[in-house]
Amino acid sequence: ETGVTQTPRHLVMGMTNKKSLKCEQHLGHNAMYWYKQSAKKPLELMFVYSLEERVENNSVPSRFSPECPNSSHLFLHLHTLQPEDSALYLCASSQDRDRRYSPLHFGNGTRLTVT
Amino acid sequence: EDQVTQSPEALRLQEGESSSLNCSYTVSGLRGLFWYRQDPGKGPEFLFTLYSAGEEKEKERLKATLTKKESFLHITAPKPEDSATYLCAVVGDTGFQKLVFGTGTRLLVSP
Repeated sequence: ETGVTQTPRHLVMGMTNKKSLKCEQHLGHNAMYWYKQSAKKPLELMFVYSLEERVENNSVPSRFSPECPNSSHLFLHLHTLQPEDSALYLCASSQDRDRRYSPLHFGNGTRLTVT
Repeated sequence: EDQVTQSPEALRLQEGESSSLNCSYTVSGLRGLFWYRQDPGKGPEFLFTLYSAGEEKEKERLKATLTKKESFLHITAPKPEDSATYLCAVVGDTGFQKLVFGTGTRLLVSP
């Protein structure tokens, strides 16, 4: 496989469930990201893992918990979500060298619906 | 605060009818401006990076240009397969790896 792969593609969960989104990149990149995309809104950065350092958007609720066991895999653990968390969750990766801004490569996302 | 505004929100063109999409930005110390294409049900696909005013990049029917305040994505003689949402994003010197995206322009090219 090539590129950035996300599973599952679609997820429906109740507000009391716990689920996880998975992302795997096959590009040899050293940084991975979670973005949230809602209708009519700009992409919102949630978390960044770069060279094993985690950077996060302080406005992201604690019901979202990221995990990055190595440079190729990224998870987003979900618990006690709200209906307004329904959105497309995108994973991305990039190759960062000396803080030069390289383009992101995105997966096709997980469409999450919270009922 | 870094900000990106894209216009128009939606654009309908006839096949072969050239036009331009606009991305206006305010950012502290521009480090890069990125253009992406997003098809329905898919993630954004990288098109171009521009780093400094005056820079231009081309790919097939697309050409991106950059000034100190805005970027244009020129589409020459578009085809129906160019229909997509085009996203612009910037990163400044105060937000390492923190791209700020616009809301995009939805382009529809009719045969």
